[in-house]
Amino acid sequence: KQEVTQIPAALSVPEGENLVLNCSFTDSAIYNLQWFRQDPGKGLTSLLLIQSSQREQTSGRLNASLDKSSGRSTLYIAASQPGDSATYLCAVLGGGADGLTFGKGTHLIIQP
Amino acid sequence: GAGVSQSPSNKVTEKGKDVELRCDPISGHTALYWYRQSLGQGLEFLIYFQGNSAPDKSGLPSDRFSAERTGGSVSTLTIQRTQQEDSAVYLCASSFPRDYRRFFGPGTRLTVL
Repeated sequence: KQEVTQIPAALSVPEGENLVLNCSFTDSAIYNLQWFRQDPGKGLTSLLLIQSSQREQTSGRLNASLDKSSGRSTLYIAASQPGDSATYLCAVLGGGADGLTFGKGTHLIIQP
Repeated sequence: GAGVSQSPSNKVTEKGKDVELRCDPISGHTALYWYRQSLGQGLEFLIYFQGNSAPDKSGLPSDRFSAERTGGSVSTLTIQRTQQEDSAVYLCASSFPRDYRRFFGPGTRLTVL
């Protein structure tokens, strides 16, 4: 059974810092990996999707990498801003009925 | 529409009542998913539709939960005889066939008193 772990569970940094969020998964047989953002009381917003054949994806200040063989992904946020404060969720798509297994998220606070 | 929409956004009900939650997926998305997010918990998969068919209903927590999808579009999640442990945010997502990017709705926050 696929398990997804996100470290750290919570992170608080001053505005302007670069930071890295980590995601690890136990079964490397995945189709893709997706990073989501969830604001309090809201749904999930898709940030980046990396196909299993890809190594990284970039969108603005966000860069996500995937090392499928070692079961790891990182989300790099450059020049963090208070508006980046949210919970960031990692999810891998594999087999099974729904196929998407989520981590419990990293709760990020960017201090102004 | 531009995104996945869900209604109502909030629902407060009394224990024992039935509730219906609605999801309007992105036009053209054939796959639709329901999840539950309880306080402090991760996302719990409930059910997945491909078109109007639900290949696997094993994620539904009990027989009080049911879901349907009509016309390959709108889906309704019904909870009968609600219990306090049903209180959660119910999220809907849609995508092109299963392997593609999933887009989530804003969720319905259900509170059972």
